[in-house]
Amino acid sequence: KAGVTQTPRYLIKTRGQQVTLSCSPISGHRSVSWYQQTPGQGLQFLFEYFSETQRNKGNFPGRFSGRQFSNSRSEMNVSTLELGDSALYLCASSLRGVEAFFGQGTRLTVV
Amino acid sequence: DQQVKQNSPSLSVQEGRISILNCDYTNSMFDYFLWYKKYPAEGPTFLISISSIKDKNEDGRFTVFLNKSAKHLSLHIVPSQPGDSAVYFCAESSQTGKLIFGQGTTLQVKP
Repeated sequence: KAGVTQTPRYLIKTRGQQVTLSCSPISGHRSVSWYQQTPGQGLQFLFEYFSETQRNKGNFPGRFSGRQFSNSRSEMNVSTLELGDSALYLCASSLRGVEAFFGQGTRLTVV
Repeated sequence: DQQVKQNSPSLSVQEGRISILNCDYTNSMFDYFLWYKKYPAEGPTFLISISSIKDKNEDGRFTVFLNKSAKHLSLHIVPSQPGDSAVYFCAESSQTGKLIFGQGTTLQVKP
């Protein structure tokens, strides 16, 4: 069974630009969640989608948004990028909402 | 305020000995607690979970203990191996796909 796939693996963007990250969950998993990891803040929950509906949202500004498609694939968008958005963005999928299985992450660098 | 705390940033253990990683939490409403292992620039790998109605769960070399009265969680690794060297995160789950992580403990297992 294929794991969680995130694309791209690495990304460099300029301040003010926007970025879209993609996540394909494990087959059969309908819950997809996103996390941001930075050295100072650790692993922070961004949002979670289940059957195309956002069920949970973390404490991030509205510049961070996401969506989920009918095939459970998910995208995350960050608009008006700031230097502080440089981080490892992780996607995770879950079958029953408890154990989450993570992808390799997308390393975003904002310059 | 940090809901999940891992008070030891690092731990060093000799190969073959026991590694004990600790975690404290403040909110008793979560249904499950989990441990993840993470290497740099990769996504966390799920290790083991425990339901809040249990006090122990074992999987091979990994055992998680839950002390609800003390709001304390621990992960025992026996015997420790050099390949176990990584950052370990505890997390709590409410079964809605949202995980709240501790800050992590870096484990070094010396040959």
